Amino acid sequence: AQRVTQPEKLLSVFKGAPVELKCNYSYSGSPELFWYVQYSRQRLQLLLRHISRESIKGFTADLNKGETSFHLKKPFAQEEDSAMYYCALSQGAQKLVFGQGTRLTINP
Amino acid sequence: GAVVSQHPSWVICKSGTSVKIECRSLDFQATTMFWYRQFPKQSLMLMATSNEGSKATYEQGVEKDKFLINHASLTLSTLTVTSAHPEDSSFYICSAPTSYDYNEQFFGPGTRLTVL
Repeated sequence: AQRVTQPEKLLSVFKGAPVELKCNYSYSGSPELFWYVQYSRQRLQLLLRHISRESIKGFTADLNKGETSFHLKKPFAQEEDSAMYYCALSQGAQKLVFGQGTRLTINP
Repeated sequence: GAVVSQHPSWVICKSGTSVKIECRSLDFQATTMFWYRQFPKQSLMLMATSNEGSKATYEQGVEKDKFLINHASLTLSTLTVTSAHPEDSSFYICSAPTSYDYNEQFFGPGTRLTVL
């Protein structure tokens, strides 16, 4: 069965420190993975997707098929990065399976 | 970007009544919309896929007679929680992909349902 695991419910780092939000998945096919973000009092929105291989707001994520991981990283955290982050896997037909989410808090 | 709206943003109802939640794509057409449920401090759980002009497809464990979905137009899907009970209290969120980028879904702001 398809599953997405985010082992950390809460993550707190200081401003300027590196950030890594972990995501592991299980999927029998060729995965499409995404990171969605939800800022306070805002709706869920796409942050980045693995097929784009792009950096958004300084965040990057590399798909590691050997480790079945798609960790989200940023070298220098900013206060505005504080939000809820969800890793998601596409099951095909655009259906998404979400991880449990990680609440990231950036301390000044 | 594309915008998805939901109405109402919150609703309180008595046990046994039915509640309708609307999901609209404001500036694009959506042949497919998705309905999620989110319990406090938990992740989004996909409930069903709403298909314009045809029946919705429900995820395993979701009662189709309890959660009626109608996708009557290319910009509107409705979720009706029938004979609501306190355990149906939750945050309901819809999403829709655009026709030009199936990989990106746009989410509504959600509807908080409280059943007394």
